[in-house]
Amino acid sequence: EVQLVESGGGLVQPGVSLRLSCAASGFTFISYAMTWVRQAPGKGLEWVSGISASDESTYYADSVKGRFTISRDNFKNTLYLQMNSLRAEDTAVYYCAKSSGSGYRSDWYFYYWGQGALVTVSS
Amino acid sequence: EIVMTQSPATLSVSPGERATLSCRASQSVSSNLAWYQQKPGQAPRLLIYGASTRATGIPARFSGTGSGTEFTLTISSLQSEDFAVYYCQQYNNWPLTFGGGTKVEIK
Repeated sequence: EVQLVESGGGLVQPGVSLRLSCAASGFTFISYAMTWVRQAPGKGLEWVSGISASDESTYYADSVKGRFTISRDNFKNTLYLQMNSLRAEDTAVYYCAKSSGSGYRSDWYFYYWGQGALVTVSS
Repeated sequence: EIVMTQSPATLSVSPGERATLSCRASQSVSSNLAWYQQKPGQAPRLLIYGASTRATGIPARFSGTGSGTEFTLTISSLQSEDFAVYYCQQYNNWPLTFGGGTKVEIK
């Protein structure tokens, strides 16, 4: 059974950093691209960042480019999102999700999602 | 960035009726279009990918059509568990983008 479990969320002040983790199990992690999607309270879904399987190409939304870094540890089967210079508008539930393949164009839709981690940025 | 526009924002439907949801892309996304269902407090659930292929375990009452810039999700006979918010997502170009969602509510 595929499982994705996010951790690392919390309440932080503007300007600080936070790292989210997503522990994956039930599939061959190294073979799949992964992504982060967020959802602000009462709002729709916003794609944040993606990373391909073994070659580790990375992609970012303009809203987080230069502040967030996606990475993966294929030995620990874990996906990360390092979030720096956090802003109030980054407040959201952050979901990690598994792509359907290794990272070709047609792979970037998401069958499996974690339960989400809430990040609140407020002073 | 490709802008995905969903309409209507809210759709009021009686159980057993047909629901038709629209998604329009600001430029062609070919057939690289997915649909998701989300219920309150839950993660999204994949319904359709490749514009028209049902995901594993998705009932046949859900169907997707379209290509290029115009897409439709049809729920042929709404069941109580189908009242939710539906999102389209394009994966033809970076950045990936979602539509703003259509809420399907009970009439």
